[in-house]
Formats: sequence, structure tokens, C-alpha cells
Amino acid sequence: DQQVKQNSPSLSVQEGRISILNCDYTNSMFDYFLWYKKYPAEGPTFLISISSIKDKNEDGRFTVFLNKSAKHLSLHIVPSQPGDSAVYFCAAFGGAGNMLTFGGGTRLMVKP
Amino acid sequence: ETGVTQTPRHLVMGMTNKKSLKCEQHLGHNAMYWYKQSAKKPLELMFVYNFKEQTENNSVPSRFSPECPNSSHLFLHLHTLQPEDSALYLCASSPEGTEANYGYTFGSGTRLTVV
Repeated sequence: DQQVKQNSPSLSVQEGRISILNCDYTNSMFDYFLWYKKYPAEGPTFLISISSIKDKNEDGRFTVFLNKSAKHLSLHIVPSQPGDSAVYFCAAFGGAGNMLTFGGGTRLMVKP
Repeated sequence: ETGVTQTPRHLVMGMTNKKSLKCEQHLGHNAMYWYKQSAKKPLELMFVYNFKEQTENNSVPSRFSPECPNSSHLFLHLHTLQPEDSALYLCASSPEGTEANYGYTFGSGTRLTVV
């Protein structure tokens, strides 16, 4: 059973607009959440994270929002740029074994 | 370059072959991981090593055999694989105790094709 789910396998956005990537989780023991970005033929790279004691974390064009009651988090990218085109993985930390658990990823395509 | 180096980048092997994947990090991390990424599936954790000791084996078939001779090196030995084992194999490392603030640092992966 997937504890971290990204229900949208792909998302297409126009350059300059906002990209919103969503992630849902089921394990209430998760206490830290991360977003990774992955280009083809490369490993995932860390993008931004948020602790469960916060509901928002911002870093430049990237903002992550956490809604604990809904067990939902989202990554906002604004303004979106063509170089943002990649696969974005949501990951959650905590629970049994204290391991990172990944979602299935969302492929973002930013059109010029 | 992330600081985690994986070799080879690409590997094609027959089902009767024996090969090894190598991962190396010089970030001072003490935990190392093998992940498998198949098409249209989430990243799957395979093995975890903390201070050279295996602490997690996520029900991985015995045709995959990990080895961690020291905290900087991690191997994945492969033998009698199946075509469905074709995937991207990612190595990652993290500081001791998996300090969540820093997340995991991933290598670029080995793209494995079993024919």
C-alpha cells in the first residue's frame, strides 16, 4: 500500500504561470516532508522540505504547503520556467524505520 | 556531480551473467541506500546500511546481493537476473541518524537492462 501518493503523473504549464504539484500521504507518523527534482539520466536532487510543525516553507520561486489535517502537501513554483521541466518526487520521513518514503512522481512540463 | 558517484552509468547483461554496481561517496555520510526505480512505479527502497551494517532488506530477491565494505562504498552484486529487473538503480547516502534536514544525496544511477 502506497503511503505517499502523487495522483497526477504529469502536469503541463505555460512559462511564467504557477505550477502546483500535489502529494497525499496516509501515515500520520510522518513528521518531515521533502520534494526532490529529477532530470532524465540523473538521480533525484533535493529541492525543498518542510517540518510537520510548519504549514509553509518558501525558498525563492518554490513554496511548499502542508495541510496536516488533510494529510496533503503541495509544491508551488512561480513563475514556472522551462528549466523546471523534470519529474518531481514527494517524500516523507518518519514512521517505522525512519526511512524516506517516496511518491510515484509527477512529470512537469513547462512550455515556453 | 552530487558527491555520490555510481558506476557504471549503463549496463546491459544477460540473465546468466554476474555483474556488480558500485557506489561511492565522500560526503562523510554513514548511511547508504540502494533504490530501484522502475517505469511508472515509485522509488523502491532495497537495502539500507548504517555504519557498514545492513539495517534494512526490503524483501529483495536473493539474486541481488549488497556489500558495504566501508562507509564510503556500497556495491550491489547481480546474478541470474530477470528481464523485469531492468530499471534504474539509485544509490543514496545520508548523514548518521538520517538527519532529515539534509535529506538524502543521490547518485545519478545505473540504467540496467537485462536481456
